[in-house]
Amino acid sequence: KQEVTQIPAALSVPEGENLVLNCSFTDSAIYNLQWFRQDPGKGLTSLLLIQSSQREQTSGRLNASLDKSSGRSTLYIAASQPGDSATYLCAVTNTGNQFYFGTGTSLTVIP
Amino acid sequence: NAGVTQTPKFRILKIGQSMTLQCTQDMNHNYMYWYRQDPGMGLKLIYYSVGAGITDKGEVPNGYNVSRSTTEDFPLRLELAAPSQTSVYFCASRAGNYGYTFGSGTRLTVV
Repeated sequence: KQEVTQIPAALSVPEGENLVLNCSFTDSAIYNLQWFRQDPGKGLTSLLLIQSSQREQTSGRLNASLDKSSGRSTLYIAASQPGDSATYLCAVTNTGNQFYFGTGTSLTVIP
Repeated sequence: NAGVTQTPKFRILKIGQSMTLQCTQDMNHNYMYWYRQDPGMGLKLIYYSVGAGITDKGEVPNGYNVSRSTTEDFPLRLELAAPSQTSVYFCASRAGNYGYTFGSGTRLTVV
């Protein structure tokens, strides 16, 4: 069974800082890994999708990397803003078409 | 293009009542999923489907049933509601090896 872990569980940073969120998974037989953002009481918004054959994806101030062999992904957020405050979730699709989520990192960016 | 639509958005059930959570997608996606998210916890997979007529259990299927008679619809049935089923339920879909699209969720309270 795939286990997905995110560290840290919570993070508080001053505005403007660059930061890294970590995601690890136990089974490297994955199709892809996806990062989501969830605002309080809201649904999930997709941020970045990395296929198993890719090493990284970028969108604006966000960069996600994938090291499948070591079972790790990182989400890098550059020049953080208060609007980035949310819970960030990573999820992996394994080769059995199941989709497993990590427990999330709650990010607070302080103005 | 509506994406993934979930109804209702909110519902209060009494213990022992039954209900169906509706999920519809208009993107012709093969794969559909149901998750529950408990407060402060990650998302847990309840059931998933890889195509019309095919469903399979996820991590926490007990107390739920699903059907997939069409590509578009993937309803989740609760037969005998229990307080442990109080949660927020999310439906998601994807096509092939692409990323997931989530509905906005159904907040269910069982009293």
